[in-house]
Amino acid sequence: QSVLTQPPSVSGAPGQRVTISCTGSSSNIGAGYDVHWYQQLPGTAPKLLIYDNRNRPSGVPDRFSGSKSGTSASLAITGLQAEDEADYYCQSYDTSLSGSVFGGGTKLTVL
Amino acid sequence: QVQLVESGGGVVQPGRSLRLSCTASGFTFSTYTMHWVRQAPGKGLEWVAVISYDGSNKYYADSVRGRFTISRDNSMDTLYVQMHSLREEDTAVYYCARGGVVVPAPKDVWGQGTTVTVSS
Repeated sequence: QSVLTQPPSVSGAPGQRVTISCTGSSSNIGAGYDVHWYQQLPGTAPKLLIYDNRNRPSGVPDRFSGSKSGTSASLAITGLQAEDEADYYCQSYDTSLSGSVFGGGTKLTVL
Repeated sequence: QVQLVESGGGVVQPGRSLRLSCTASGFTFSTYTMHWVRQAPGKGLEWVAVISYDGSNKYYADSVRGRFTISRDNSMDTLYVQMHSLREEDTAVYYCARGGVVVPAPKDVWGQGTTVTVSS
């Protein structure tokens, strides 16, 4: 059981918008720690997609956006494309564990 | 270019030991915290351990504390994890990842991973 909770799967048609939620607690997201999002394409290493809740590294399309409120965070993907089909993970820091925590991951299927 | 390359994975019997390495290039290794993250077959990402830029601070996931030791050699731009008393549930792809100045910073560079299989 992951410390951060994500839906196991989401899906959407090309061009649509999907969101992925990430729910934590008062010892991680609710304590003010930033949330980061990673994209893992099949058979590859994870890639940083969103950092510090809402910032995109260079090269990440602006179709990807992040937000955080209270003990939760969300990743939104607009204008879905076939190449967005991947696993997405949220991650934060947990003060009671003194380490990083990940969500269980969400598999995005582009219909 | 900025790169992390893991090595040392393999098949090992339960109870035995193994050491993984991660060689960095393209950036000043000695100024970054470094992490190990693993992914069991068909499962999600699990954070394993982190070490501060100078090696003075180390933190571990409960699942590996007391069995794994993270270390680094800044003169060799290399990160290590020594794994003892391996269990079947340690079977995973092990990634090294670059952190930031502080432990909560994002992991912005990842290696390609090395596979550890614990099986009799």
